Amino acid sequence: DAKTTQPPSMDCAEGRAANLPCNHSTISGNEYVYWYRQIHSQGPQYIIHGLKNNETNEMASLIITEDRKSSTLILPHATLRDTAVYYCIVRVSGGGADGLTFGKGTHLIIQP
Amino acid sequence: DAGITQSPRHKVTETGTPVTLRCHQTENHRYMYWYRQDPGHGLRLIHYSYGVKDTDKGEVSDGYSVSRSKTEDFLLTLESATSSQTSVYFCAIKSSGDLETQYFGPGTRLLVL
Repeated sequence: DAKTTQPPSMDCAEGRAANLPCNHSTISGNEYVYWYRQIHSQGPQYIIHGLKNNETNEMASLIITEDRKSSTLILPHATLRDTAVYYCIVRVSGGGADGLTFGKGTHLIIQP
Repeated sequence: DAGITQSPRHKVTETGTPVTLRCHQTENHRYMYWYRQDPGHGLRLIHYSYGVKDTDKGEVSDGYSVSRSKTEDFLLTLESATSSQTSVYFCAIKSSGDLETQYFGPGTRLLVL
């Protein structure tokens, strides 16, 4: 799996959009970009994933650059409950059985 | 939450005692996982299962064994607990039909004295 690089921490004001970057310059053609988050003391929570097109769901949007070497997770209207560690994971598709590899992620702090 | 429960949620035990943690799912998923999370290490895979009685080792499997005799239950056993196994343990399932989307349980906090 390709390695990812994320800033260790970020702040965002409540009600503003939170933009979390992720670099994955060694991503290969069949690898997807996944985002998870972990709120303090809870299990990680799946947010969104994509291959090359931008994706949006009820939680967030995922913007992947055309060369696929980086991506941005966007939380459009951040709330205090969005304070969490956000993990960007690059993973080969195909239904393999083995687990996910989590890095250190970005600790996003939403300020009131 | 994909119908995942873990028991117990908290446990304190002594070094050298056996400990079994249980993960239970209600949605008949094929793949199940055990991770541990420690400060400075993030989540690390211990063991995983790809069907009843089909299991394999993850990154940090030493000192742990698993069993899966029914689709819905995946057990993690510490045969002889050590202080280095003090951790938070998370179970996860992979949802069929999705590409590598895993859903995690609430976790078990284990303290080995």
